Amino acid sequence: GAGVSQTPSNKVTEKGKYVELRCDPISGHTALYWYRQSLGQGPEFLIYFQGTGAADDSGLPNDRFFAVRPEGSVSTLKIQRTERGDSAVYLCASSAAGGSHEQYFGPGTRLTVT
Amino acid sequence: AQSVTQPDIHITVSEGASLELRCNYSYGATPYLFWYVQSPGQGLQLLLKYFSGDTLVQGIKGFEAEFKRSQSSFNLRKPSVHWSDAAEYFCAVGIPNRDDKIIFGKGTRLHILP
Repeated sequence: GAGVSQTPSNKVTEKGKYVELRCDPISGHTALYWYRQSLGQGPEFLIYFQGTGAADDSGLPNDRFFAVRPEGSVSTLKIQRTERGDSAVYLCASSAAGGSHEQYFGPGTRLTVT
Repeated sequence: AQSVTQPDIHITVSEGASLELRCNYSYGATPYLFWYVQSPGQGLQLLLKYFSGDTLVQGIKGFEAEFKRSQSSFNLRKPSVHWSDAAEYFCAVGIPNRDDKIIFGKGTRLHILP
C-alpha cells in the first residue's frame, strides 16, 4: 500500500514569502505528526494531530508556523514570512493511534529560504 | 521531559566488522525506545522498537538492540556490517501508551570502509 507522501519534495523560496507544505498520511491513520530536521540534527517535533484537531502544538517555534488538517487526512504546514533559519527538511509521519507510537515517515520536503 | 543522547556523531567500521551504536535516554520510567535509519535522500525507516518484555530486541536488516534499565541505555548492534548499512542512525524515545511525539537523538553517522 501507499506510504506517507509529501509535496513538494523541494521548495526554494525567498525570505519573507509564504509557503505551504503538504502531507498525505497512510489511509486510515488518525494520528499525524510534523517534524523539522535541520542539517546535522535529529528530527524535532513541531505538531501532532489526532483526527482534525491539533493535540499538541508545543513544538511550533513561533506564530509564523501553522498547520491544519481539516478533514482528518491530508495536512498542510504553513509558514508565513519565511526566514533563512527556516531552511530545513520538514518531515511528516502518521500512525494508526492506539499508543503504539509506530510512526511511519514520509520522504520529507526540503525547504530552502534564500 | 524525556531526552536522548547519542554520544558518537560519526562511527567508522570496516565491512564485515561488528557494530555498536550507543544511546542513552533520560526519562522517569521506562519509555518506549526506537532506532531509525535514514539513508541519503531517504525517509526515516524504523529498525526496531522496545515497548516491554524481553530486553533484547531483534529488528530488520540483522540489527538488534538491548535495553538496559540500570544504564538507561538502548544500544544498537550488528554482528557484521555491510556497505549498504552506511547511513545515519537515530535513537528515539516515546512516552508509553500515548499517541504523542517521539524525541530523537542527534544521530550517529555510520561510515563503512571497504
